[in-house]
Amino acid sequence: AQSVTQPDIHITVSEGASLELRCNYSYGATPYLFWYVQSPGQGLQLLLKYFSGDTLVQGIKGFEAEFKRSQSSFNLRKPSVHWSDAAEYFCAVGATVTGGGNKLTFGTGTQLKVEL
Amino acid sequence: KAGVTQTPRYLIKTRGQQVTLSCSPISGHRSVSWYQQTPGQGLQFLFEYFSETQRNKGNFPGRFSGRQFSNSRSEMNVSTLELGDSALYLCASSSARPDSPLHFGNGTRLTVT
Repeated sequence: AQSVTQPDIHITVSEGASLELRCNYSYGATPYLFWYVQSPGQGLQLLLKYFSGDTLVQGIKGFEAEFKRSQSSFNLRKPSVHWSDAAEYFCAVGATVTGGGNKLTFGTGTQLKVEL
Repeated sequence: KAGVTQTPRYLIKTRGQQVTLSCSPISGHRSVSWYQQTPGQGLQFLFEYFSETQRNKGNFPGRFSGRQFSNSRSEMNVSTLELGDSALYLCASSSARPDSPLHFGNGTRLTVT
């Protein structure tokens, strides 16, 4: 069964500083990987996804993530954080399941605080 | 294109009651999934429906059930509510391709007293 680990529960960065959120996954085959962001009282918004090909993927809001198979990691980065980036970030791994469809397994999330 | 719509946004119920939550997927999406989000357990997969059939199911008791209609709209039902069922219930739709990302609604916040 697949699993996702986000080792940082809380991260605080200053506005304008760079950001890296860590994500490690466990899955037997090539996974589908996602990063989602959730603002308070809202649903999850897709930031970016990796399926295959180029291991550096670009997403919305200036985010990018790099897939490293050897490290089973899919870390999220942003060169310069804005105060509006404060939210909770979830890494997820998707897998094809018997009978079709997909099912996402989420990490426990990283709460990002941005100091002005 | 309209996003995923969940109704109602908030619900307060009493232990032992039952509740029905509704989800309208993005137009053209035939797969609807449900997730439960709690501070203690995080995001947990409940089930997925595709073409009116439950295709995948998570590890939840039989009190949790769902269905999907011919227009892809879905409902989730929880019977005999327990305090531990208090959570944010998120619905997500996708085009059902294995590499299709999930698009989430804003959720229904259920409080059981």
